[in-house]
Amino acid sequence: AQSVTQLDSQVPVFEEAPVELRCNYSSSVSVYLFWYVQYPNQGLQLLLKYLSGSTLVESINGFEAEFNKSQTSFHLRKPSVHISDTAEYFCAVSDPGAGSYQLTFGKGTKLSVIP
Amino acid sequence: DAGVIQSPRHEVTEMGQEVTLRCKPISGHNSLFWYRQTMMRGLELLIYFNNNVPIDDSGMPEDRFSAKMPNASFSTLKIQPSEPRDSAVYFCASSPDAPGNTIYFGEGSWLTVV
Repeated sequence: AQSVTQLDSQVPVFEEAPVELRCNYSSSVSVYLFWYVQYPNQGLQLLLKYLSGSTLVESINGFEAEFNKSQTSFHLRKPSVHISDTAEYFCAVSDPGAGSYQLTFGKGTKLSVIP
Repeated sequence: DAGVIQSPRHEVTEMGQEVTLRCKPISGHNSLFWYRQTMMRGLELLIYFNNNVPIDDSGMPEDRFSAKMPNASFSTLKIQPSEPRDSAVYFCASSPDAPGNTIYFGEGSWLTVV
C-alpha cells in the first residue's frame, strides 16, 4: 500500500519569504502525485498534480512542485508567499497500476504566513 | 457546476442519537468518497464507491457507521448510535472515472456529539 510522509506538521514563514513543503511517498513504481490546499473552514481543493511528462508542475498562484523519482519526493515550493497562502497543504498519491482511483493523503502541513 | 454538495454543514447532537450526513456528487462523476478529518488522525478515507457500488469500506471505523449510494446523485453516511469520539469534519468527494483525475471535495459536515 502507498504511504505519504509530510515531514513538517507546521511551517511558519514571513510574508514574501520563500517556502518549501516537503513530501515523500513510499512506492518506487509509477505514481500520480497531487498537492491539495485546505483554507480555513473549507474543503480541500486541488493545487497542482503530476501525471507524466515534465517533472516540474506549476499552479496558477505561483506554487510549483518537482517530481523526483530517485528520491521519491514531490516537494512544494513558492519563491515568495503571501498572507493569503495561509492554509493546510496535503500531499497525495495514487497508483495508476492498481486500477483504483483512490488517493492516499499525507497528514498535512499547516503553513502560517506571518506579516 | 455546483460542486459537491453536503448537508448539513453543521450538526450538534447528543450521544446515542442517529446522525445522517448527505452528499450530492458532481453530475457525471462515477467515484464517490467519504473522508473524516480530525486533529488527531488527520484525513481518513472511510469508504469509496464506484458506479454506486462500495469498492473499499476498510476505513469504516465500526458497525455503527454505514454508507449507502442508492443512485448516482446521492449518498448518505449514517452513524447510529453516535458517540463523542465521532466528532469530526466529514467530507464527501467525487471524481470522474479515470486514474489521475482530480477529486473534488465538498465543504464538509461539521459534527459535534456531546
